[in-house]
Amino acid sequence: DAGVIQSPRHEVTEMGQEVTLRCKPISGHNSLFWYRQTMMRGLELLIYFNNNVPIDDSGMPEDRFSAKMPNASFSTLKIQPSEPRDSAVYFCASSWGQGYSGTEAFFGQGTRLTVV
Amino acid sequence: SQQGEEDPQALSIQEGENATMNCSYKTSINNLQWYRQNSGRGLVHLILIRSNEREKHSGRLRVTLDTSKKSSSLLITASRAADTASYFCATDVFSAGANNLFFGTGTRLTVIP
Repeated sequence: DAGVIQSPRHEVTEMGQEVTLRCKPISGHNSLFWYRQTMMRGLELLIYFNNNVPIDDSGMPEDRFSAKMPNASFSTLKIQPSEPRDSAVYFCASSWGQGYSGTEAFFGQGTRLTVV
Repeated sequence: SQQGEEDPQALSIQEGENATMNCSYKTSINNLQWYRQNSGRGLVHLILIRSNEREKHSGRLRVTLDTSKKSSSLLITASRAADTASYFCATDVFSAGANNLFFGTGTRLTVIP
Protein backbone atom coordinates (compact mmCIF):
# COMPACT_ATOMS: atom_id res chain seq x y z
CA ASP A 1 0.00 0.00 0.00
CA ALA A 2 1.25 3.50 -0.80
CA GLY A 3 0.16 4.85 2.55
CA VAL A 4 -2.17 7.76 3.15
CA ILE A 5 -2.15 10.02 0.12
CA GLN A 6 -3.00 13.69 0.35
CA SER A 7 -3.34 16.22 -2.42
CA PRO A 8 -2.30 18.79 -3.17
CA ARG A 9 0.98 18.97 -1.23
CA HIS A 10 0.99 22.75 -1.42
CA GLU A 11 -1.82 25.18 -2.06
CA VAL A 12 -1.63 28.95 -2.31
CA THR A 13 -4.91 30.75 -2.72
CA GLU A 14 -6.40 34.18 -2.34
CA MET A 15 -8.66 35.10 0.52
CA GLY A 16 -12.27 34.34 -0.26
CA GLN A 17 -11.54 31.45 -2.59
CA GLU A 18 -12.76 27.92 -2.03
CA VAL A 19 -10.13 25.35 -1.11
CA THR A 20 -10.56 21.59 -1.30
CA LEU A 21 -8.09 19.20 0.29
CA ARG A 22 -8.18 15.53 -0.59
CA CYS A 23 -7.24 12.35 1.18
CA LYS A 24 -7.05 8.70 0.25
CA PRO A 25 -6.73 6.53 3.37
CA ILE A 26 -5.02 3.18 3.58
CA SER A 27 -7.19 0.41 2.19
CA GLY A 28 -8.97 -1.50 4.94
CA HIS A 29 -8.76 1.23 7.55
CA ASN A 30 -12.08 2.23 9.08
CA SER A 31 -11.15 5.48 10.83
CA LEU A 32 -10.08 8.70 9.16
CA PHE A 33 -8.91 11.86 10.87
CA TRP A 34 -8.33 15.42 9.68
CA TYR A 35 -5.86 17.49 11.70
CA ARG A 36 -4.57 21.03 11.38
CA GLN A 37 -1.12 22.04 12.57
CA THR A 38 0.14 25.55 13.25
CA MET A 39 2.97 26.90 15.34
CA MET A 40 0.56 28.70 17.62
CA ARG A 41 -2.03 25.99 18.20
CA GLY A 42 -0.11 22.79 17.60
CA LEU A 43 -1.90 19.74 16.20
CA GLU A 44 -5.67 20.14 16.34
CA LEU A 45 -8.20 17.44 15.55
CA LEU A 46 -10.81 18.87 13.19
CA ILE A 47 -13.04 15.90 12.49
CA TYR A 48 -12.93 12.15 12.40
CA PHE A 49 -14.91 9.53 10.56
CA ASN A 50 -15.59 5.92 11.41
CA ASN A 51 -16.88 3.66 8.64
CA ASN A 52 -17.40 6.80 6.51
CA VAL A 53 -19.67 8.40 9.11
CA PRO A 54 -18.61 11.65 10.84
CA ILE A 55 -18.35 10.88 14.54
CA ASP A 56 -17.09 14.11 16.02
CA ASP A 57 -16.76 17.41 14.19
CA SER A 58 -16.51 19.59 17.27
CA GLY A 59 -13.01 20.59 16.25
CA MET A 60 -14.14 22.18 13.00
CA PRO A 61 -13.43 25.85 13.64
CA GLU A 62 -16.32 27.43 11.75
CA ASP A 63 -19.11 26.80 9.31
CA ARG A 64 -16.66 27.69 6.59
CA PHE A 65 -15.12 24.26 7.10
CA SER A 66 -16.83 21.10 5.91
CA ALA A 67 -15.67 17.53 5.43
CA LYS A 68 -17.08 14.57 3.58
CA MET A 69 -16.28 10.93 3.19
CA PRO A 70 -18.43 9.60 0.34
CA ASN A 71 -16.78 6.19 0.44
CA ALA A 72 -14.10 4.24 2.28
CA SER A 73 -11.32 5.35 -0.04
CA PHE A 74 -11.79 9.10 -0.26
CA SER A 75 -12.35 12.13 1.91
CA THR A 76 -12.35 15.88 1.34
CA LEU A 77 -11.93 18.89 3.58
CA LYS A 78 -13.35 22.07 2.14
CA ILE A 79 -12.89 25.66 3.25
CA GLN A 80 -15.25 28.21 1.76
CA PRO A 81 -14.50 31.08 1.86
CA SER A 82 -10.86 30.81 2.90
CA GLU A 83 -9.18 33.36 5.16
CA PRO A 84 -5.50 34.10 5.90
CA ARG A 85 -5.87 32.60 9.40
CA ASP A 86 -6.65 29.26 7.78
CA SER A 87 -3.04 29.04 6.66
CA ALA A 88 -1.62 25.86 8.19
CA VAL A 89 -0.55 22.33 7.39
CA TYR A 90 -3.52 20.00 7.15
CA PHE A 91 -2.94 16.33 7.83
CA CYS A 92 -5.10 13.35 7.09
CA ALA A 93 -4.57 10.11 8.99
CA SER A 94 -6.21 6.72 8.95
CA SER A 95 -6.26 3.75 11.29
CA TRP A 96 -8.02 0.50 12.05
CA GLY A 97 -9.95 0.94 15.26
CA GLN A 98 -11.92 -1.90 16.75
CA GLY A 99 -13.40 -0.86 20.05
CA TYR A 100 -10.81 -1.29 22.75
CA SER A 101 -8.17 -2.51 20.34
CA GLY A 102 -7.32 0.69 18.55
CA THR A 103 -4.09 0.72 16.61
CA GLU A 104 -1.61 3.21 15.28
CA ALA A 105 -2.56 5.97 12.90
CA PHE A 106 -0.81 6.48 9.60
CA PHE A 107 -0.37 10.04 8.47
CA GLY A 108 -0.21 11.54 5.03
CA GLN A 109 2.50 14.02 4.14
CA GLY A 110 0.14 16.91 4.68
CA THR A 111 -1.11 19.83 2.60
CA ARG A 112 0.54 23.15 3.29
CA LEU A 113 -2.14 25.79 2.76
CA THR A 114 -1.30 29.46 2.39
CA VAL A 115 -4.13 31.95 2.09
CA VAL A 116 -2.99 35.40 0.98
CA SER B 1 -10.26 18.68 26.37
CA GLN B 2 -8.85 15.19 26.21
CA GLN B 3 -5.66 16.43 24.65
CA GLY B 4 -2.44 15.43 26.32
CA GLU B 5 0.35 17.73 27.26
CA GLU B 6 4.03 17.01 26.83
CA ASP B 7 6.75 18.22 29.09
CA PRO B 8 9.17 19.79 28.41
CA GLN B 9 8.12 21.79 25.37
CA ALA B 10 11.71 21.80 24.16
CA LEU B 11 14.76 19.75 25.06
CA SER B 12 18.35 20.11 23.91
CA ILE B 13 20.94 17.43 24.69
CA GLN B 14 24.33 16.21 23.53
CA GLU B 15 24.64 13.19 21.30
CA GLY B 16 24.96 10.04 23.37
CA GLU B 17 22.88 11.35 26.25
CA ASN B 18 19.43 10.04 27.13
CA ALA B 19 16.31 12.09 26.44
CA THR B 20 13.17 11.82 28.55
CA MET B 21 9.84 13.30 27.58
CA ASN B 22 6.67 13.20 29.65
CA CYS B 23 3.00 13.21 28.72
CA SER B 24 -0.04 13.82 30.87
CA TYR B 25 -3.66 13.27 29.86
CA LYS B 26 -7.10 13.68 31.34
CA THR B 27 -9.43 10.78 30.58
CA SER B 28 -9.45 6.99 30.57
CA ILE B 29 -7.71 5.57 27.55
CA ASN B 30 -7.48 2.38 25.50
CA ASN B 31 -3.85 2.93 24.75
CA LEU B 32 -1.24 5.65 24.48
CA GLN B 33 0.97 6.14 21.48
CA TRP B 34 4.10 8.10 20.74
CA TYR B 35 4.80 9.68 17.38
CA ARG B 36 7.72 11.48 15.84
CA GLN B 37 7.59 14.35 13.36
CA ASN B 38 10.50 15.59 11.36
CA SER B 39 10.29 19.17 10.21
CA GLY B 40 7.86 19.58 7.35
CA ARG B 41 6.79 15.94 7.36
CA GLY B 42 3.86 13.88 8.59
CA LEU B 43 3.84 12.11 11.92
CA VAL B 44 5.30 8.63 12.17
CA HIS B 45 4.20 6.11 14.76
CA LEU B 46 6.91 4.95 17.17
CA ILE B 47 5.34 2.78 19.85
CA LEU B 48 1.97 1.89 21.38
CA ILE B 49 1.38 0.92 25.00
CA ARG B 50 -1.98 -0.47 26.09
CA SER B 51 -3.77 0.64 29.22
CA ASN B 52 -3.02 -2.66 30.97
CA GLU B 53 0.71 -2.41 30.27
CA ARG B 54 3.20 -0.52 32.39
CA GLU B 55 6.35 -0.55 30.31
CA LYS B 56 7.34 -1.28 26.75
CA HIS B 57 10.60 -1.30 24.82
CA SER B 58 11.43 -0.91 21.16
CA GLY B 59 15.09 -0.58 20.25
CA ARG B 60 16.42 2.53 21.96
CA LEU B 61 12.92 3.56 23.03
CA ARG B 62 11.40 2.85 26.42
CA VAL B 63 7.86 3.89 27.26
CA THR B 64 6.18 3.77 30.64
CA LEU B 65 2.53 4.26 31.48
CA ASP B 66 0.98 5.08 34.83
CA THR B 67 -2.79 5.08 34.45
CA SER B 68 -3.33 6.07 38.08
CA LYS B 69 -1.43 9.29 37.44
CA LYS B 70 -2.61 9.56 33.84
CA SER B 71 0.93 10.00 32.65
CA SER B 72 3.47 8.43 30.34
CA SER B 73 7.13 8.92 29.59
CA LEU B 74 9.27 8.28 26.53
CA LEU B 75 12.96 7.61 27.03
CA ILE B 76 15.36 7.64 24.10
CA THR B 77 18.69 6.16 25.10
CA ALA B 78 22.05 6.95 23.51
CA SER B 79 20.58 9.74 21.44
CA ARG B 80 21.80 10.53 17.94
CA ALA B 81 21.68 13.69 15.88
CA ALA B 82 19.13 11.94 13.65
CA ASP B 83 16.74 11.78 16.63
CA THR B 84 16.25 15.53 16.33
CA ALA B 85 12.51 15.95 15.77
CA SER B 86 9.26 16.74 17.55
CA TYR B 87 7.72 13.98 19.63
CA PHE B 88 4.01 13.72 20.36
CA CYS B 89 1.98 11.52 22.63
CA ALA B 90 -1.51 10.53 21.55
CA THR B 91 -4.31 8.98 23.57
CA ASP B 92 -6.66 6.47 22.01
CA VAL B 93 -10.11 6.96 23.48
CA PHE B 94 -13.11 4.85 22.57
CA SER B 95 -16.25 6.96 22.56
CA ALA B 96 -19.45 7.30 20.56
CA GLY B 97 -18.79 3.88 19.10
CA ALA B 98 -15.43 4.72 17.57
CA ASN B 99 -11.77 5.13 18.38
CA ASN B 100 -10.49 8.66 18.50
CA LEU B 101 -6.91 9.81 18.73
CA PHE B 102 -6.03 12.97 20.62
CA PHE B 103 -2.55 14.44 20.32
CA GLY B 104 -0.54 16.37 22.85
CA THR B 105 1.34 19.57 22.31
CA GLY B 106 4.66 17.95 21.49
CA THR B 107 8.26 18.15 22.68
CA ARG B 108 10.86 19.57 20.35
CA LEU B 109 14.06 17.53 20.79
CA THR B 110 17.39 18.79 19.52
CA VAL B 111 20.37 16.44 19.68
CA ILE B 112 23.65 18.27 19.28
CA PRO B 113 26.39 16.29 17.50
